[in-house]
Amino acid sequence: GENVEQHPSTLSVQEGDSAVIKCTYSDSASNYFPWYKQELGKGPQLIIDIRSNVGEKKDQRIAVTLNKTAKHFSLHITETQPEDSAVYFCAASLPNFGNEKLTFGTGTRLTIIP
Amino acid sequence: GAGVSQSPSNKVTEKGKDVELRCDPISGHTALYWYRQRLGQGLEFLIYFQGNSAPDKSGLPSDRFSAERTGESVSTLTIQRTQQEDSAVYLCASSIIIGRRGQSSYEQYFGPGTRLTVT
Repeated sequence: GENVEQHPSTLSVQEGDSAVIKCTYSDSASNYFPWYKQELGKGPQLIIDIRSNVGEKKDQRIAVTLNKTAKHFSLHITETQPEDSAVYFCAASLPNFGNEKLTFGTGTRLTIIP
Repeated sequence: GAGVSQSPSNKVTEKGKDVELRCDPISGHTALYWYRQRLGQGLEFLIYFQGNSAPDKSGLPSDRFSAERTGESVSTLTIQRTQQEDSAVYLCASSIIIGRRGQSSYEQYFGPGTRLTVT
């Protein structure tokens, strides 16, 4: 089955600086890669996703890049703000019509230092 | 509109007791997933429902775990004879299938979870 590794496990960034979180996956057939943000006591919330036919996707301060050859994808947050502090999870999904069960990374606790 | 809701939000139970966790998905969402999140870890897939059927139960850790879904809506995850290692947050997510075969809506909307503590 799919295996997703995520680094770093913790990350502290000065407010206004950029944060980068990296993930690798094992199954080259995976074709969907979402990123979730989880705040304390809440369920994960999708913040951005990318499909395997695209190399990069951007949404305001958040961007995701995908390197299919190397089987890794990254989350980039620019101009970080205190409200970006949370745990971020990457995930991967194999193509299976109707059942997009996600394999998650172990999470990155991001702390924005004011 | 209303999101995914789960109840109870917290559950403390004694080892050996049975527990039922409930998930109310977003109305009209045909797919429903259960995940488990142990402290400080990522989410582990447990079971997937399409309508009221569960074509993928591969993540259920033992036969003490079962789940059902009725009316293509509410789902219940049952853990029998709970053990301390069952302590975790149990998350439910729902999504809707759109598009042609091979293309579907991947976005899963998560509920807030049920924190289960087995003493």
